[in-house]
Amino acid sequence: DAGVTQSPTHLIKTRGQHVTLRCSPISGHKSVSWYQQVLGQGPQFIFQYYEKEERGRGNFPDRFSARQFPNYSSELNVNALLLGDSALYLCASSFLSASSNTDTQYFGPGTRLTVL
Amino acid sequence: RKEVEQDPGPFNVPEGATVAFNCTYSNSASQSFFWYRQDCRKEPKLLMSVYSSGNEDGRFTAQLNRASQYISLLIRDSKLSDSATYLCVVTGGDSSASKIIFGSGTRLSIRP
Repeated sequence: DAGVTQSPTHLIKTRGQHVTLRCSPISGHKSVSWYQQVLGQGPQFIFQYYEKEERGRGNFPDRFSARQFPNYSSELNVNALLLGDSALYLCASSFLSASSNTDTQYFGPGTRLTVL
Repeated sequence: RKEVEQDPGPFNVPEGATVAFNCTYSNSASQSFFWYRQDCRKEPKLLMSVYSSGNEDGRFTAQLNRASQYISLLIRDSKLSDSATYLCVVTGGDSSASKIIFGSGTRLSIRP
C-alpha cells in the first residue's frame, strides 16, 4: 500500500508569489493535516481537515489556506510568499473518527519550499 | 512558555548506553501522547504511543506522568542506528477542535 504522497518534492518561488502544495493520504484515511517545519525546529501545526471540513487550525496568518477534496486528498495554498515561508511542508494523514479528538499521524516525505 | 518543551540536546552517548528524554506539556487537558523519530532530511515516523500505564517496545519504554505533565522515552542498549531527532507530540486539549503540538525535538547521537 502506498503511504502518504506529496507533490512537488522541491519548489523554488520568489517573494510575493503564490504556491499550491498537494497531498494524497493513505487509503482509508479521512483526515489530512499540514505542518511547517523550519530547520532545527519541530513541525508546526497549520491545519487539520476531516471529511472535507476544517477541524483544527494553528497560529498561521490568513495567507495560508487549505482544502480537502471528496477523495480526501488535500491542497495547501500560501499567498504573498515571504522569505520566512521557506521550510519543509509536511502532510500527514490519520484514521480519525468523528467522535475522537486523538489520532496517530503518518507523514509524507514533505515538500521543500525555498522562497528567494 | 511553550506548550510542549523538550531538551534540544544533543545527547552524545556511546553504543550500548541507556539514554532517557523528557518532554513537558502545559495543557492539562491534553489527551494523547506520542514519540516520533526523525532522521536528517526525512519525515517524522511514529516510534510509539504513550499510555498512562507505560508501554514498552523492545529497547524502548515510554511513560506518561499526568500529574507532573511530562512524558518520557527510555532507550536501552542504544545502537548506532538510534541516532536521530526524537520528537514528542501532544494532541487534544480542546474539545472544539483538533490540536497537534510537536516539541522542538531532542537530538541523539550514538558513537561507536
